Amino acid sequence: YVLTQPPTLSVAPGKTATMACGGDEIGHKSVHWYQQRPGQAPVLVMHYDIERPSGIPDRFSGSNSGNTATLTITRVEAGDEADYYCQVWDSSSDHVLFGGGTKLTVL
Amino acid sequence: QAQLVESGGALVKPGGSLRLSCAASGFPFSDYYMSWIRQVPGRGLEWVAHISSSGATPYIADSVKGRFTISRDNAENSLFLQMDTLRADDTALYYCARGLRADIFDVWGQGTMVTVSA
Repeated sequence: YVLTQPPTLSVAPGKTATMACGGDEIGHKSVHWYQQRPGQAPVLVMHYDIERPSGIPDRFSGSNSGNTATLTITRVEAGDEADYYCQVWDSSSDHVLFGGGTKLTVL
Repeated sequence: QAQLVESGGALVKPGGSLRLSCAASGFPFSDYYMSWIRQVPGRGLEWVAHISSSGATPYIADSVKGRFTISRDNAENSLFLQMDTLRADDTALYYCARGLRADIFDVWGQGTMVTVSA
């Protein structure tokens, strides 16, 4: 099973960033998202497709349907500049899988 | 608050062995799945292994199966990764992570660097 993410995304401050994670019938899986700022460990920003962990601002939202899961960040700020990884559990192999990551650049 | 601190990373020759440790604090360690996840500098995340809260159920990624072993000591609030027959492509920053389930990582350490080179 493979998760596909576009490698880069550039967004102006105050605009909306929409990051995709593609996978075969990914809508049938639970997708989790991590933010990794430069030089830091990853941080969980979304789990079970749409649930924000405590402390994550409501500018972050998620969706998952068909072959694409999406992480959306509204009113993008400079501090949102980071790599974002989607992740699922592949029950057929009993393995955790990460997407290749999307580097979000805030212009 | 919950904290994870990895140690044991080093420079090792191909074919060598290394044991990584992760010390947990600030939460009931024995209640949680724990995992190792690695990252080649400048590259993406790769799951390596996880272990159930009791230690009875380890899962290992195919890329390291037969060479790496995950274990834990709940009495000592510690997680381990025994790495044998190391290869150059095992070079990475190794993170310890707490699992809300087996596959949701809500607390991460800062990582320990493993370099495999002659």
